[in-house]
Parts: sequence; structure tokens; C-alpha cells
Amino acid sequence: EAGVAQSPRYKIIEKRQSVAFWCNPISGHATLYWYQQILGQGPKLLIQFQNNGVVDDSQLPKDRFSAERLKGVDSTLKIQPAKLEDSAVYLCASSLAFKNEKLFFGSGTQLSVL
Amino acid sequence: DQQVKQNSPSLSVQEGRISILNCDYTNSMFDYFLWYKKYPAEGPTFLISISSIKDKNEDGRFTVFLNKSAKHLSLHIVPSQPGDSAVYFCAASARRYGGATNKLIFGTGTLLAVQP
Repeated sequence: EAGVAQSPRYKIIEKRQSVAFWCNPISGHATLYWYQQILGQGPKLLIQFQNNGVVDDSQLPKDRFSAERLKGVDSTLKIQPAKLEDSAVYLCASSLAFKNEKLFFGSGTQLSVL
Repeated sequence: DQQVKQNSPSLSVQEGRISILNCDYTNSMFDYFLWYKKYPAEGPTFLISISSIKDKNEDGRFTVFLNKSAKHLSLHIVPSQPGDSAVYFCAASARRYGGATNKLIFGTGTLLAVQP
């Protein structure tokens, strides 16, 4: 069974530029999550989707971050404009059922903002 | 406000001995706890979980203990193997009080190194 796919693996941009990350969850997983992991910290939830609807985006900096999940499958996370403090690993995860804490994570995208 | 704390950034253990990783939480509404394991350049993978109605859950070499009164949980690995070397994250959720979601709150992680 294929795992959660993410791309790109690495991205280096300058501050004020824009960047987008892509995620394809495990087939059949209705719930999709985007987490931000800053160096030395644990993953922090940015946004949670149930199918193509947003369940929780309370910690998403909406002035610069946006996310969508078209057709309830793939998802993209965008940052525009990026700040230095956005340097982190962006992890996508999926789970089989809503309110299921057993998450399957992708390998992440490491973003460096210079 | 760090609701889930892993105060030991790193731990080194000899192969075959017991590894004990600790986690403390402050939110009394947390009622479900998980451990995730992360290798370099990979995403975290689920390891073991425990509900607040239990004080122990075992899965092979891995056992998680929960002390609700102390708001403390620990992960025991016996015997430790070099392949267990990874970062271990403790996570918690408030299933009964989480409302529309069961948001996971992660600790900062403990790097375990098992020496051959």
C-alpha cells in the first residue's frame, strides 16, 4: 500500500517569495492534516480537512497561508509571502477515519526561507 | 504554553538494556495519548497508544505507562535494539472534550541512541 506522498522534498526561497507544497494521502483516507515542525519543536497542526471541508484551521496564519483539498483527495498548502520564521518541515498526514489519532505521515517538505 | 513536555532532549542506552522515555502533560482534559517514532528524513510513524481508562498498554517490546494523578506517561522499550535509535514524540488529545476535532498536541521529542 502506498504511503502519503509529498513534494517537493526540499525548497529554498527568499523571504517575501511564495511557495506551494503538494500532498497525496493514502487511498481511502478521508481526513488530511498539514503540520508544521520547526527545528527543536514537535509538529504543530496547521489545518485539518475532512474530505474537502475544513474541520480545524485555528492555527493557520491566514494572512499568508492557504490550503485547499480539491475533490477530497490531493491537497496543496501555499505560503505567500514567506517570512524567515516559516523555515520548517511541513508534514502532511492522513487518517482512515475522522477523529482517529493514528496518523500516517509523509516524509515532509523541508522549507528554508533566506 | 507547552501542554505536552518531554524534558529530556536525548537519551543514550546500551543494546539489550531498557530505554525509558518520559512525557508530562498539563491539560487535565487530555484522555488519549500516543507515541510516534521518527527516523531522519522520514515522517513520524505511530508506535503505541493508551486511553486514560488504562494505566498500561503493551505491544511486544514496547510498553506505555500512564499515571493520571501525576499527569505523566512513559514509554519502556525492552530490550533496546540499535534499530530503535530515533526521535520519539509523545502526543495527546482530548477525545471527550475536543469538540469537532481530536487535535493532537505533540511534545518536543526525545532522541534515543541505542549503542551496540
